[in-house]
Amino acid sequence: AQSVTQLGSHVSVSEGALVLLRCNYSSSVPPYLFWYVQYPNQGLQLLLKYTSAATLVKGINGFEAEFKKSETSFHLTKPSAHMSDAAEYFCAVSARMDSSYKLIFGSGTRLLVRP
Amino acid sequence: SAVISQKPSRDICQRGTSLTIQCQVDSQVTMMFWYRQQPGQSLTLIATANQGSEATYESGFVIDKFPISRPNLTFSTLTVSNMSPEDSSIYLCSGQMTVGYTFGSGTRLTVV
Repeated sequence: AQSVTQLGSHVSVSEGALVLLRCNYSSSVPPYLFWYVQYPNQGLQLLLKYTSAATLVKGINGFEAEFKKSETSFHLTKPSAHMSDAAEYFCAVSARMDSSYKLIFGSGTRLLVRP
Repeated sequence: SAVISQKPSRDICQRGTSLTIQCQVDSQVTMMFWYRQQPGQSLTLIATANQGSEATYESGFVIDKFPISRPNLTFSTLTVSNMSPEDSSIYLCSGQMTVGYTFGSGTRLTVV
């Protein structure tokens, strides 16, 4: 079975500082990995996805993530935080199981951006 | 990518009643899923909605409580039955495409 662990339920950074949100996965087969963002009272928006192509994945809003198989990690980064980045971020993994690609979510990390 | 229309967007229901949530996709998706997001929590998979057959439920979820239908490749419903305040959550449907997933905007359910 696959699973995702997000380290840190809350991360606080200053505006302009580096954003690093951590995600480690467990999967018995090569995974697909995703990062989603959820703004207050809104639905999920896909930031980026890894699907076994390039290990460094660039997404929307200046975010990127690097797939590291040796570390089973898929951390999300952004060089310079904006106030508008404050939201809940979810890492998710899918792997073929029982002929369906179920998407399993981590517990989420709330990003706070200080002025 | 596919767009999912989910309704209702929110509802307040009396305990003991049932609510049916609908999701319509604007193009065919291979799989559809239903999730629950309890207040301040992550998304938990309820079940995989199988086209033309019974849904596949995750541990802790049963058909009597969450009956699901998927009569064709673009439409699915989730019913929350015999509701209690513990069922107050956001319910989301999701469609799987070639590589990736799209989500409905969610149904915010409050049970009083």
